[in-house]
Order: sequence, then structure tokens, then C-alpha cells
Amino acid sequence: QQQVKQSPQSLIVQKGGISIINCAYENTAFDYFPWYQQFPGKGPALLIAIRPDVSEKKEGRFTISFNKSAKQFSLHIMDSQPGDSATYFCAASGTEGNKLVFGAGTILRVKS
Amino acid sequence: GAVVSQHPSWVICKSGTSVKIECRSLDFQATTMFWYRQFPKQSLMLMATSNEGSKATYEQGVEKDKFLINHASLTLSTLTVTSAHPEDSSFYICSADDTGGTEAFFGQGTRLTVV
Repeated sequence: QQQVKQSPQSLIVQKGGISIINCAYENTAFDYFPWYQQFPGKGPALLIAIRPDVSEKKEGRFTISFNKSAKQFSLHIMDSQPGDSATYFCAASGTEGNKLVFGAGTILRVKS
Repeated sequence: GAVVSQHPSWVICKSGTSVKIECRSLDFQATTMFWYRQFPKQSLMLMATSNEGSKATYEQGVEKDKFLINHASLTLSTLTVTSAHPEDSSFYICSADDTGGTEAFFGQGTRLTVV
């Protein structure tokens, strides 16, 4: 049973454009929602994370929007660059510490 | 920031042999570490939760006798793939919680190929 649904599966964006990736969760006990970036052959690296007490968090070009009532959260990458080309995973965790449930991943390609 | 190191980065072994993968937290103590498995172009699937000084907790469908986990110290957890077969070939990744448990730090992963 997939507890975190991520879309789209892949995304192509022009350099300078906005990349948007969406996730939806089912478990209302989740209270931590991170986004990870993964390059081929490497482990995932934390990009940005949010907790349910805020609706938006911005760090540089990366913004998380969070809608608690809809149980959805999204990642926006502003001014997308070719170096942003990677696989992005949303995740969620709750009462079991940092036991993360991952979305299926989105392969982002930024065209120069 | 906290650093988690995995060793080796890649390993090739013969079918039927065992392989040990190490996960170390370099600059913090980790009472809890997690082991994930990732097949090509797929997401990370949690295999087990490793707790220092106690038995690991395995996710449903993961064979505990095949994937042996030992967390003998606050900075080291090991995953041993016993009697490896080609279908065990995968990318294995560990993560460790920092002291406050607020963030999970991931290792760089280990690519296992069983021939």
C-alpha cells in the first residue's frame, strides 16, 4: 500500500522555468515532510522539509507548499537549472522517528 | 552537517557468498539507523530499523535471516547479505537519525552486484 503518492513520474522543464512536483499522503499521523534530491549512484540528500504547522517554507530557489486539509504538499523549484536535473523524492514520517515513507520519485530534466 | 559514510561504495560477489556493508555516523551518535533498498529507477524501500544494542525491526516481507543487521555501537550499523543471489543485486542505502531525531542523514549508498 503506497502511503505517499508522487506525480509526475518525469518532468522536462526549460532552463529558467519552474519545476513543480506534487505529493499526497494518506496517514494523518505523518508530521514531517521532507524532499530529497538524488543523483545517479548517490544517496538521497535533503533539500528542504516542512512540518504541518506552516503552509509554506522557502529556502533559496526551493519552496514547499503544504495543504493539511487536502493532505498534499508540493515542491517548487524556481529558475530551474540544468544542474537541478536529478530524481526528486518526497517522503513523510510520523510517530516512528525518522522512519520515512518515500514517494515513487520524479525524474527531472532541465533543458538548457 | 552530520555525515553518514557507507562502505564499500560498490561490491561484486559470487552467488552463494555473503557480503557485509557498513554504515557509520562520523560526527554524531545514532541510536537508530535505517536500511533501505533501491532497485533501478525505483524508490527507496525500507528494509529494517536498526537500534543500537537491540535486535533490528524488519519490514514485512524482508527475510531477517538473509539480511542480518547488527548495530553494536552508536556509530556503526552493519548489513550482511547472506548467501547472496543475483536477485539481491541492488543499491543499498542507510540513514541515521541525528541526536534530536529531527533529520535523517543518508549514506552514499552501496551498489551490490551478485554474479
